[in-house]
Amino acid sequence: EPEVTQTPSHQVTQMGQEVILRCVPISNHLYFYWYRQILGQKVEFLVSFYNNEISEKSEIFDDQFSVERPDGSNFTLKIRSTKLEDSAMYFCASSLTGRNTEAFFGQGTRLTVV
Amino acid sequence: GESVGLHLPTLSVQEGDNSIINCAYSNSASDYFIWYKQESGKGPQFIIDIRSNMDKRQGQRVTVLLNKTVKHLSLQIAATQPGDSAVYFCADFAPGRRALTFGSGTRLQVQP
Repeated sequence: EPEVTQTPSHQVTQMGQEVILRCVPISNHLYFYWYRQILGQKVEFLVSFYNNEISEKSEIFDDQFSVERPDGSNFTLKIRSTKLEDSAMYFCASSLTGRNTEAFFGQGTRLTVV
Repeated sequence: GESVGLHLPTLSVQEGDNSIINCAYSNSASDYFIWYKQESGKGPQFIIDIRSNMDKRQGQRVTVLLNKTVKHLSLQIAATQPGDSAVYFCADFAPGRRALTFGSGTRLQVQP
């Protein structure tokens, strides 16, 4: 069964450092997403991406964040200068049509900023 | 001491009982809803969906009910099993949006 894969599963970084979280969405999907989940809290939307551009972003997705689809398979989330409060699980998701259809989630990357 | 943020409502049921998990949504114009299951350390996993032109949808051991009048969604799990223990989130698409908005989640604990 096709699945969304994320690497690494756990990333520890020092405050102020840049991190890149990587995702391989399901191959025929057209819409890609990043969500985050602070420990014990709900899943929060960060950004959606379609046709090589951001289609929607939340207030969390400030100038420290960027996304890229550098090739035909990878989808990355970059945090330019990490803060302690960026510590969370980051989930990548993809969907076929983007609206009114399920999004498939990866297993997540646990980011710990120290 | 108590951990900050770990205040999910919890439903505790006996194995074999039926479970009902509830969710309230805020946007009366939302037209598509999904229930996700999240096990510890894993990503959300799709369980069942329902469109706003329906009141009820059944899957294998699960049923989703939608009451648009009071903006309420419920997930019923029949014959709950230990493997059903997880956090359950409802999510919806608000009009004009292409990203899901998640509810706050309910932890289901199944006692053997």
